[in-house]
Amino acid sequence: SAVISQKPSRDICQRGTSLTIQCQVDSQVTMMFWYRQQPGQSLTLIATANQGSEATYESGFVIDKFPISRPNLTFSTLTVSNMSPEDSSIYLCSGEGQGGTEAFFGQGTRLTVV
Amino acid sequence: KNEVEQSPQNLTAQEGEFITINCSYSVGISALHWLQQHPGGGIVSLFMLSSGKKKHGRLIATINIQEKHSSLHITASHPRDSAVYICAVLANGQNFVFGPGTRLSVLP
Repeated sequence: SAVISQKPSRDICQRGTSLTIQCQVDSQVTMMFWYRQQPGQSLTLIATANQGSEATYESGFVIDKFPISRPNLTFSTLTVSNMSPEDSSIYLCSGEGQGGTEAFFGQGTRLTVV
Repeated sequence: KNEVEQSPQNLTAQEGEFITINCSYSVGISALHWLQQHPGGGIVSLFMLSSGKKKHGRLIATINIQEKHSSLHITASHPRDSAVYICAVLANGQNFVFGPGTRLSVLP
């Protein structure tokens, strides 16, 4: 099975700044996804990161706030832009292998905006 | 009604007890994962199931596709098992849908 390295594991950021979270997979995965878990809530899908094209965002999430890159089949980044305290959450990436039944998770990034 | 439900929401056990966490879902799935979220927020994938049963150490996970139900069992529980356990279903090749999580506290 694949291993996803997600960085940073945690960060404390000033409001108005941006943070880029990286996920590196040790093998090629067809699909990658980004999720958010607000305090006390379930994990919620932000977007699907498509290789070579623009990400597909879920309702309530926009590209200007959460730009995503997927330059190849092993790497993706999520940027949280112009942060406010409401963005304080855990952000998680996952990758889906061939056939759509295998999935792998990063370790999560705990973001605190002050 | 949420697509993925878990019970119980919170669970406190004494060290050594046998623990069961349940997950039920309402959508067609191609796979189900059990995740463990540590108090610091880090997430670990424990199991991926598409049928039957898997065992890893003191952890056992089962799934019944017909009944759309999965269980996670912990035998001889230990305080280091204290975490939030999350059921995540992969809805027929789409993205994951996550359950609300079960917060487990194992007391020494």
